[in-house]
Order: sequence, then structure tokens, then C-alpha cells
Amino acid sequence: QKEVEQNSGPLSVPEGAIASLNCTYSDRGSQSFFWYRQYSGKSPELIMFIYSNGDKEDGRFTAQLNKASQYVSLLIRDSQPSDSATYLCAVNEERPQLLGMNRDDKIIFGKGTRLHILP
Amino acid sequence: EPEVTQTPSHQVTQMGQEVILRCVPISNHLYFYWYRQILGQKVEFLVSFYNNEISEKSEIFDDQFSVERPDGSNFTLKIRSTKLEDSAMYFCASSEVGQTTYEQYFGPGTRLTVT
Repeated sequence: QKEVEQNSGPLSVPEGAIASLNCTYSDRGSQSFFWYRQYSGKSPELIMFIYSNGDKEDGRFTAQLNKASQYVSLLIRDSQPSDSATYLCAVNEERPQLLGMNRDDKIIFGKGTRLHILP
Repeated sequence: EPEVTQTPSHQVTQMGQEVILRCVPISNHLYFYWYRQILGQKVEFLVSFYNNEISEKSEIFDDQFSVERPDGSNFTLKIRSTKLEDSAMYFCASSEVGQTTYEQYFGPGTRLTVT
């Protein structure tokens, strides 16, 4: 069973500080990695995706991927109270019977980390 | 900005009844998915759909479930005989046909309550 692991939190971070969210995954074949934000009672909202090792920055968000360690992280700079939410790490599950990444691969979600930004 | 839409937002049904959840994916997307999230638990994959057929389905997606694209815009999930444990948020998602993009965008969800 492919797994995506996250610390459930809550992670409390002062407003204006950097929030660091971490995720590990079990499937070495995974090639696509996503961070979704989910407010209580709402649907997952895609905020970052990363496919290559290294860092990817988008505004206040930076995703970091280390495939050798099977580790992906999300940094949120200048944290705002509106960033308070549950952050879901998601990873594609490659279907072994097909070569490479497939467009309709399902994604496996972690349980999410609750982030609380302290005003 | 284009969005995935879902109807109804909340559906209450009695055990054993059939329900149909509806989704309108983003217009230029051709890959469609259903996920569910039981309250307090993680988002779980149900089924993926492409070119008018199921690409992959999970163990949850048993014979009580079916999907259909009845026309050029709608994508539906049918549960034939609902059980109490089917109570959950059901999310539709879609992704586009691109060379290197695999991002799935989620709709607002339908809250299904089985009594």
C-alpha cells in the first residue's frame, strides 16, 4: 500500500514567520508531487506542484523535492492568518503496467498538517 | 478563472436509495476523477476516467458505484444502493491534456449524508 506521511500538527507559527511543512512518501516510482490547501469544510485547492528535484518558488510558497530521500516540503514565507488551514501533500501513484508517468494516474493524499498562524 | 462545479452541494438520502452526484469539469480538461473524504479522514481516490472509459478504480469503487459522461459537459457518479458508510464529501477533479502537466483541480464537493 503506497503511503504519504505527514505530521498532523497542529503547527503553530507566528504571523510573518516561515511555516515549514514536511511530507514523506513510500512509492519510489512517484514523479509528481502536489501541495493542496484545504480550509475546514471546503475542497482541496492546488497551491503548488513540483516534478523535479530541487526548489520551486511561487510567490510566498516554495516547494522542495528530494526524490532520493523521498521527501517533499512546503515553505510559506511571511505567514498570514489566512494561511491557517490544513495542507495536504499528494503524490501520483505510477501504474507499474504502463511505462512512465501516466496522465490519469491517481494521486495519493496524506492526512494533512493543520497549520495555525498566530496573529 | 475556469472552475470545476458540482451539484448538489448537499444530498441527504436514505440507506438503500440511489444517488447521482454531478460534476462539470473544466471545459478543456479530458481527464476526470472522483475522490471522497470521510469526515476527519484523508482524501481517497475512487476512480479516474478518460476517453469515455474508466482508467483506474480503487477497492472502494465496487459494483455499487458507476460513472458516466452523459454529454459533452457533465460527469456523474452514481451510487446504486447507498450505505451508511457512504456518508462523505465527494469531490470531482479534472486535469487537462498537456505534454507535461498533471495537475488535478478539485470542485467544491458534494456532502452526501446517508441516514
